[in-house]
Amino acid sequence: DAGVIQSPRHEVTEMGQEVTLRCKPISGHNSLFWYRQTMMRGLELLIYFNNNVPIDDSGMPEDRFSAKMPNASFSTLKIQPSEPRDSAVYFCASSFEVKDTQYFGPGTRLTVL
Amino acid sequence: GQQLNQSPQSMFIQEGEDVSMNCTSSSIFNTWLWYKQDPGEGPVLLIALYKAGELTSNGRLTAQFGITRKDSFLNISASIPSDVGIYFCAGQSEIRGSQGNLIFGKGTKLSVKP
Repeated sequence: DAGVIQSPRHEVTEMGQEVTLRCKPISGHNSLFWYRQTMMRGLELLIYFNNNVPIDDSGMPEDRFSAKMPNASFSTLKIQPSEPRDSAVYFCASSFEVKDTQYFGPGTRLTVL
Repeated sequence: GQQLNQSPQSMFIQEGEDVSMNCTSSSIFNTWLWYKQDPGEGPVLLIALYKAGELTSNGRLTAQFGITRKDSFLNISASIPSDVGIYFCAGQSEIRGSQGNLIFGKGTKLSVKP
């Protein structure tokens, strides 16, 4: 069975550009999570959805970040405009229900120059 | 906010050695999880603990959920080269509305002794 799929795996962009990260959760999972990983702050939850509805976005750093889940099999995390401090690895994870085990995707390594 | 203190930050292992790492928190969690992350990959779940005092094994890995619900440890027995990587603890809150929030430790990096 396919795990969580993320694209792109690597993204290099210039400051000020819009960046869109994509995630396809495991089929049948109702909850989807976006995390950011940096050396300084470790793994941080940005936002999570349950049944396509955002439940907690308190981890989203600022208004430049937005996330959507238009259907059960697709989610996007958008940064507009991007800044060098947004450089990090962004992970998507999904679980059957909110409290259940979260399975992580391979991540997108974002570099903003 | 909730924070986890994971130690040690890094350690070197020689094949065959036992390894121990732990996490402590100022808050109570109702679930403790241990993940391993290899370079270029996402974290993979190793062990999940759901009850205070619970001791669970997965092959050479053993983890325990502390009685106070504020700590957990992970032991690896007879380490092998493929054990290298970064190990993360994570706690899941019992607070309604926050049950999806996993709080992660900063990780313990396991390397092979030169």
